[in-house]
Amino acid sequence: AQSVTQPDIHITVSEGASLELRCNYSYGATPYLFWYVQSPGQGLQLLLKYFSGDTLVQGIKGFEAEFKRSQSSFNLRKPSVHWSDAAEYFCAVGGTGGFKTIFGAGTRLFVKA
Amino acid sequence: NAGVTQTPKFRVLKTGQSMTLLCAQDMNHEYMYWYRQDPGMGLRLIHYSVGEGTTAKGEVPDGYNVSRLKKQNFLLGLESAAPSQTSVYFCASSRQGVGQNQPQHFGDGTRLSIL
Repeated sequence: AQSVTQPDIHITVSEGASLELRCNYSYGATPYLFWYVQSPGQGLQLLLKYFSGDTLVQGIKGFEAEFKRSQSSFNLRKPSVHWSDAAEYFCAVGGTGGFKTIFGAGTRLFVKA
Repeated sequence: NAGVTQTPKFRVLKTGQSMTLLCAQDMNHEYMYWYRQDPGMGLRLIHYSVGEGTTAKGEVPDGYNVSRLKKQNFLLGLESAAPSQTSVYFCASSRQGVGQNQPQHFGDGTRLSIL
């Protein structure tokens, strides 16, 4: 079955600290992986995507993610978190297996001063 | 540069009432989607469309109907609203791709409460 798991419901980090949000997926065809961010009262915005090639992908706002096929993971990282990064983050998988994108349940990030 | 626009942004209905949510996109995207977002459950696909005049069921289609008469518009209808349909509804669109390999562009959502 196709699924996306984000093990952490919420994470709190101090401003300036590094961040890693975890994502594991199960997908029967060639996966295409996405990270989206949702600020309060708004829709989802694409942070980055992985289709093929280099397994470390760069996104907007200083985020990056690493695709590890052997671990079925696509973790999101940022070296230094800013207060404005507080939001909810969604990992998603789509691909050649159909027209549907599967979203994880989300991880809410809190940033403390 | 509007992107995806959802109308209305907020609505309160009584049980049994009907309403239609409108989604409009100006990016000439082939694919459009309706999701509902509930706490702790992420986004669940209600219906989607892969082109003008086409619609298909997603993960949670019961109680909803959709229409895509024009390429830029995707309507979501609730024929007889129920409290279980209280949620935030998001519309999204994407370019045509191989299966689902294109990122989606989202509207800002419609917050719907059913009393």
